[in-house]
Amino acid sequence: EVQLVESGGNLVQPGGFLILSCATSGFIFSKYWMSWVRQAPGKGLEWVANINPDGSTKYYVDSVKGRFTISRDNAKNSLRLEMSNLTDEDTAVYYCLNDMDFWGQGTLVTVSS
Amino acid sequence: QSVLTQPPSVSGTPGQRVTMFCSGSYFNIGSNYVYWYQQVPGTAPKLLIYKNNQRPSGVPDRFSGSKSGTSASLAISGLRSEDETDYYCAAWDDTKKGWVFGGGTKLTVL
Repeated sequence: EVQLVESGGNLVQPGGFLILSCATSGFIFSKYWMSWVRQAPGKGLEWVANINPDGSTKYYVDSVKGRFTISRDNAKNSLRLEMSNLTDEDTAVYYCLNDMDFWGQGTLVTVSS
Repeated sequence: QSVLTQPPSVSGTPGQRVTMFCSGSYFNIGSNYVYWYQQVPGTAPKLLIYKNNQRPSGVPDRFSGSKSGTSASLAISGLRSEDETDYYCAAWDDTKKGWVFGGGTKLTVL
Protein backbone atom coordinates (compact mmCIF):
# COMPACT_ATOMS: atom_id res chain seq x y z
CA GLU A 1 0.00 0.00 0.00
CA VAL A 2 1.35 3.39 -1.02
CA GLN A 3 1.80 5.71 1.94
CA LEU A 4 2.94 9.33 1.99
CA VAL A 5 3.25 11.02 5.38
CA GLU A 6 4.08 14.70 5.56
CA SER A 7 5.49 16.41 8.62
CA GLY A 8 7.05 19.69 9.65
CA GLY A 9 4.11 22.03 9.31
CA ASN A 10 3.99 24.74 11.94
CA LEU A 11 3.22 28.34 12.78
CA VAL A 12 6.05 30.55 11.54
CA GLN A 13 6.55 34.30 11.41
CA PRO A 14 6.70 36.23 8.14
CA GLY A 15 10.20 36.04 6.75
CA GLY A 16 10.78 32.78 8.56
CA PHE A 17 12.09 29.40 7.47
CA LEU A 18 10.53 25.95 7.60
CA ILE A 19 11.36 22.47 6.33
CA LEU A 20 8.69 19.99 5.34
CA SER A 21 9.37 16.28 5.03
CA CYS A 22 7.51 13.44 3.38
CA ALA A 23 8.17 9.85 4.38
CA THR A 24 7.10 7.32 1.79
CA SER A 25 6.55 3.58 1.54
CA GLY A 26 4.80 1.01 -0.61
CA PHE A 27 6.38 1.92 -3.94
CA ILE A 28 9.82 2.18 -5.51
CA PHE A 29 10.51 5.79 -4.54
CA SER A 30 13.63 6.15 -6.67
CA LYS A 31 11.66 5.57 -9.87
CA TYR A 32 9.05 8.31 -9.46
CA TRP A 33 8.75 12.02 -9.97
CA MET A 34 7.58 13.58 -6.71
CA SER A 35 5.62 16.79 -6.18
CA TRP A 36 4.44 19.22 -3.54
CA VAL A 37 0.98 20.75 -3.95
CA ARG A 38 -0.58 23.24 -1.56
CA GLN A 39 -4.05 24.45 -0.71
CA ALA A 40 -4.66 27.75 1.03
CA PRO A 41 -7.61 27.83 3.44
CA GLY A 42 -10.86 27.76 1.49
CA LYS A 43 -9.02 27.90 -1.84
CA GLY A 44 -8.16 25.54 -4.67
CA LEU A 45 -5.10 23.41 -5.35
CA GLU A 46 -1.78 24.93 -6.40
CA TRP A 47 1.20 22.90 -7.57
CA VAL A 48 4.39 24.10 -5.87
CA ALA A 49 7.34 22.06 -7.10
CA ASN A 50 8.45 18.70 -8.41
CA ILE A 51 11.65 16.70 -8.77
CA ASN A 52 12.66 13.90 -11.10
CA PRO A 53 13.66 10.41 -9.90
CA ASP A 54 17.38 11.06 -9.55
CA GLY A 55 16.99 14.60 -8.23
CA SER A 56 18.73 16.25 -11.15
CA THR A 57 15.70 18.17 -12.47
CA LYS A 58 13.47 20.44 -10.39
CA TYR A 59 10.64 22.74 -11.34
CA TYR A 60 8.90 25.40 -9.25
CA VAL A 61 5.85 27.61 -9.53
CA ASP A 62 6.93 31.20 -10.13
CA SER A 63 5.72 32.45 -6.74
CA VAL A 64 8.19 30.26 -4.82
CA LYS A 65 11.24 30.37 -7.09
CA GLY A 66 14.31 31.44 -5.17
CA ARG A 67 12.59 30.84 -1.82
CA PHE A 68 11.68 27.12 -1.84
CA THR A 69 13.96 24.15 -2.53
CA ILE A 70 12.74 20.67 -3.23
CA SER A 71 15.05 17.71 -2.64
CA ARG A 72 14.94 13.98 -2.14
CA ASP A 73 16.84 11.18 -0.48
CA ASN A 74 16.33 8.00 -2.45
CA ALA A 75 18.18 5.95 0.16
CA LYS A 76 15.64 7.02 2.78
CA ASN A 77 12.59 7.16 0.47
CA SER A 78 11.95 10.70 1.58
CA LEU A 79 11.07 14.05 0.03
CA ARG A 80 11.82 17.48 1.46
CA LEU A 81 10.74 21.05 0.91
CA GLU A 82 12.82 23.86 2.36
CA MET A 83 10.87 27.10 2.55
CA SER A 84 12.44 30.46 3.30
CA ASN A 85 11.35 34.10 3.39
CA LEU A 86 7.80 32.93 4.05
CA THR A 87 4.84 35.25 3.59
CA ASP A 88 1.21 34.99 4.60
CA GLU A 89 0.46 33.89 1.03
CA ASP A 90 2.36 30.68 1.77
CA THR A 91 -0.17 29.71 4.43
CA ALA A 92 -1.66 26.43 3.25
CA VAL A 93 -1.90 22.71 3.70
CA TYR A 94 1.06 21.19 1.86
CA TYR A 95 0.61 17.79 0.25
CA CYS A 96 3.29 15.39 -0.94
CA LEU A 97 2.45 13.48 -4.14
CA ASN A 98 3.76 10.47 -5.95
CA ASP A 99 3.79 11.26 -9.68
CA MET A 100 0.57 13.27 -9.32
CA ASP A 101 -1.24 10.07 -8.31
CA PHE A 102 -1.20 9.34 -4.59
CA TRP A 103 -1.49 12.14 -2.03
CA GLY A 104 -0.38 12.32 1.57
CA GLN A 105 -2.72 13.63 4.25
CA GLY A 106 -1.04 17.05 4.24
CA THR A 107 0.70 19.25 6.77
CA LEU A 108 -0.44 22.76 7.71
CA VAL A 109 1.89 25.71 7.37
CA THR A 110 0.67 28.95 8.93
CA VAL A 111 2.62 32.14 8.35
CA SER A 112 1.55 34.79 10.82
CA SER A 113 2.98 37.22 13.32
CA GLN B 1 -7.01 33.15 -11.46
CA SER B 2 -6.39 29.55 -12.45
CA VAL B 3 -4.70 28.59 -15.72
CA LEU B 4 -7.31 25.91 -16.33
CA THR B 5 -10.91 27.03 -16.29
CA GLN B 6 -13.63 25.07 -14.54
CA PRO B 7 -17.20 26.13 -13.81
CA PRO B 8 -17.58 26.93 -10.09
CA SER B 9 -20.55 24.62 -9.74
CA VAL B 10 -22.65 21.98 -11.43
CA SER B 11 -25.65 20.09 -10.16
CA GLY B 12 -27.70 17.01 -10.88
CA THR B 13 -30.26 14.70 -9.38
CA PRO B 14 -29.65 11.16 -8.12
CA GLY B 15 -29.25 8.71 -10.96
CA GLN B 16 -28.60 11.42 -13.51
CA ARG B 17 -25.46 11.83 -15.62
CA VAL B 18 -23.52 15.06 -15.17
CA THR B 19 -20.56 16.37 -17.10
CA MET B 20 -18.10 19.00 -15.96
CA PHE B 21 -15.57 20.69 -18.17
CA CYS B 22 -12.03 21.95 -17.92
CA SER B 23 -10.70 24.41 -20.46
CA GLY B 24 -7.07 25.22 -21.13
CA SER B 25 -4.71 25.97 -23.98
CA TYR B 26 -2.50 24.23 -26.52
CA PHE B 27 0.40 24.35 -24.05
CA ASN B 28 -1.32 22.41 -21.28
CA ILE B 29 -4.43 20.37 -22.13
CA GLY B 30 -3.73 20.56 -25.84
CA SER B 31 -0.32 18.93 -25.49
CA ASN B 32 -0.43 16.88 -22.31
CA TYR B 33 -2.51 14.45 -20.32
CA VAL B 34 -5.34 15.62 -18.11
CA TYR B 35 -5.86 14.41 -14.56
CA TRP B 36 -9.00 14.68 -12.45
CA TYR B 37 -9.18 14.69 -8.66
CA GLN B 38 -12.02 14.42 -6.18
CA GLN B 39 -11.70 16.21 -2.85
CA VAL B 40 -14.01 15.90 0.09
CA PRO B 41 -13.54 19.08 2.16
CA GLY B 42 -11.07 18.57 4.98
CA THR B 43 -9.42 15.57 3.34
CA ALA B 44 -6.69 15.03 0.77
CA PRO B 45 -7.64 14.93 -2.91
CA LYS B 46 -8.02 11.54 -4.54
CA LEU B 47 -7.08 10.66 -8.11
CA LEU B 48 -10.15 9.88 -10.21
CA ILE B 49 -8.85 9.94 -13.78
CA TYR B 50 -5.31 9.94 -15.15
CA LYS B 51 -3.95 10.27 -18.69
CA ASN B 52 -7.24 11.77 -19.92
CA ASN B 53 -9.46 8.74 -19.52
CA GLN B 54 -7.81 6.09 -17.35
CA ARG B 55 -9.34 5.05 -14.04
CA PRO B 56 -7.15 3.92 -11.15
CA SER B 57 -8.15 0.65 -9.58
CA GLY B 58 -10.96 1.17 -7.12
CA VAL B 59 -12.56 4.08 -8.95
CA PRO B 60 -16.05 3.08 -10.13
CA ASP B 61 -16.73 3.02 -13.86
CA ARG B 62 -19.43 5.63 -13.23
CA PHE B 63 -16.56 8.10 -13.57
CA SER B 64 -15.16 8.71 -17.04
CA GLY B 65 -12.85 11.26 -18.60
CA SER B 66 -12.28 12.53 -22.10
CA LYS B 67 -10.28 15.18 -23.91
CA SER B 68 -10.75 17.05 -27.15
CA GLY B 69 -8.36 19.74 -28.28
CA THR B 70 -7.80 22.17 -25.44
CA SER B 71 -10.72 21.00 -23.32
CA ALA B 72 -11.38 18.02 -21.12
CA SER B 73 -14.43 16.68 -19.36
CA LEU B 74 -15.32 14.47 -16.44
CA ALA B 75 -18.61 12.63 -16.59
CA ILE B 76 -20.33 10.99 -13.66
CA SER B 77 -23.21 8.67 -14.40
CA GLY B 78 -25.68 7.21 -11.94
CA LEU B 79 -25.18 10.21 -9.69
CA ARG B 80 -25.13 9.45 -5.95
CA SER B 81 -25.35 11.70 -2.92
CA GLU B 82 -21.79 10.80 -1.95
CA ASP B 83 -20.56 12.32 -5.23
CA GLU B 84 -21.44 15.75 -3.86
CA THR B 85 -18.03 17.32 -3.35
CA ASP B 86 -15.27 19.21 -5.17
CA TYR B 87 -13.53 18.19 -8.40
CA TYR B 88 -10.29 19.53 -9.88
CA CYS B 89 -8.60 19.08 -13.24
CA ALA B 90 -4.85 19.36 -13.78
CA ALA B 91 -2.31 19.17 -16.60
CA TRP B 92 1.35 19.85 -17.19
CA ASP B 93 1.98 23.22 -18.85
CA ASP B 94 4.87 23.30 -21.32
CA THR B 95 5.42 27.06 -21.11
CA LYS B 96 5.18 27.37 -17.34
CA LYS B 97 7.18 24.17 -16.88
CA GLY B 98 4.84 23.14 -14.13
CA TRP B 99 1.53 21.57 -13.30
CA VAL B 100 -1.54 23.77 -13.48
CA PHE B 101 -4.90 23.18 -11.85
CA GLY B 102 -8.41 24.33 -12.51
CA GLY B 103 -10.14 26.35 -9.84
CA GLY B 104 -12.38 23.43 -8.97
CA THR B 105 -16.02 22.57 -9.52
CA LYS B 106 -18.43 21.94 -6.68
CA LEU B 107 -20.92 19.24 -7.54
CA THR B 108 -24.29 19.45 -5.83
CA VAL B 109 -26.63 16.47 -5.85
CA LEU B 110 -30.13 17.89 -5.58
